[in-house]
Amino acid sequence: DGGITQSPKYLFRKEGQNVTLSCEQNLNHDAMYWYRQDPGQGLRLIYYSQIVNDFQKGDIAEGYSVSREKKESFPLTVTSAQKNPTAFYLCATSTSGNTYEQYFGPGTRLTVT
Amino acid sequence: SQQGEEDPQALSIQEGENATMNCSYKTSINNLQWYRQNSGRGLVHLILIRSNEREKHSGRLRVTLDTSKKSSSLLITASRAADTASYFCATDAGGGGTSYGKLTFGQGTILTVHP
Repeated sequence: DGGITQSPKYLFRKEGQNVTLSCEQNLNHDAMYWYRQDPGQGLRLIYYSQIVNDFQKGDIAEGYSVSREKKESFPLTVTSAQKNPTAFYLCATSTSGNTYEQYFGPGTRLTVT
Repeated sequence: SQQGEEDPQALSIQEGENATMNCSYKTSINNLQWYRQNSGRGLVHLILIRSNEREKHSGRLRVTLDTSKKSSSLLITASRAADTASYFCATDAGGGGTSYGKLTFGQGTILTVHP
């Protein structure tokens, strides 16, 4: 998990509220990713960014938004439009190059009631 | 859609035994990677095998790749209780533009190693 910080570790929100999850890295990696993981499931890609001020939708972007104003930071906002937001959210980074080994943060567990 | 499908979904063994996990995928790939996840934590990269490689070793890990069958296997030899975790395969389908660097993860195999 070294070099990638996700805060907070646990987050609780009421239904209808937007919430922003933080992801910060000091690895000087160009690319950053947000995944969602549900119990007993694999990772599903929400959004990713290969360079500052640019990002692309992943497989399940609806109800989420991101920004990439700085290389070090890639915050994810879970909006009230996301129908089932309770999940484990993982941020990852990778270098640009021939291979794309990804480095993961420790994750944020979001519970919406 | 999930590119990788893993088998078995769960595996329970005794310490000292070998553990084998399999991953199948659907489209051509640039490389295939294996990751480990301890409960409630982030994933950790274990090993990467490129599409032109057939086998790779790293410590007690051995990975094979059969591109004709679109499948890979991860073997952990002489397992330890500390190997207890979920293991995921992830495929990099390559391609340029916005697909660059995008991985697709399987649903994982839960490995339990009993002391």
